[in-house]
Amino acid sequence: NAGVTQTPKFQVLKTGQSMTLQCAQDMNHEYMSWYRQDPGMGLRLIHYSVGAGITDQGEVPNGYNVSRSTTEDFPLRLLSAAPSQTSVYFCASSERGRGNSPLHFGNGTRLTVT
Amino acid sequence: GENVEQHPSTLSVQEGDSAVIKCTYSDSASNYFPWYKQELGKGPQLIIDIRSNVGEKKDQRIAVTLNKTAKHFSLHITETQPEDSAVYFCAALLAGYALNFGKGTSLLVTP
Repeated sequence: NAGVTQTPKFQVLKTGQSMTLQCAQDMNHEYMSWYRQDPGMGLRLIHYSVGAGITDQGEVPNGYNVSRSTTEDFPLRLLSAAPSQTSVYFCASSERGRGNSPLHFGNGTRLTVT
Repeated sequence: GENVEQHPSTLSVQEGDSAVIKCTYSDSASNYFPWYKQELGKGPQLIIDIRSNVGEKKDQRIAVTLNKTAKHFSLHITETQPEDSAVYFCAALLAGYALNFGKGTSLLVTP
């Protein structure tokens, strides 16, 4: 099993550009989520999904969109990138949809916005 | 997140000593408390978790204790080894489905 796969590993964007961070899991997990990790800030929840067709906002949702059309995929879209979105982004999934089962993380996407 | 506080932010111990990391949370309804270890360049990995109906859980050199009345939980690593060096995160499941993380503890185990 590949687990949680994130692409790309690294990305540099100019302010105002758009892009989609991809996340796929092959474990048939109900729950998927996106976190951003900044120095000294820990992991902050951006958006999450408890199943296909259902998404909700986390702690820091502004500037990001998500959709969950399939169980496997949970892409994160930046519509107009800003320097404040420079961060490392982690996608994570868990078996049950209530967030109370172990999270499996991908290896992250390091994004720089200039 | 601001609902989970973690201390210390950095911890240095000698190989063989014990390490303790403490977390407090604000939501009394929280009922799931995992701990994650993150090595350089990788995503966090679950090392142990505890649920609110249990006061202590142990897995080899790692143990977690939970005090629901005081709303705090701790990670204990005994007989530390250099490969334990990493960043450790505590987390608490808030009302609903959101897992909130502490800001992390950078543990350095020196030979």
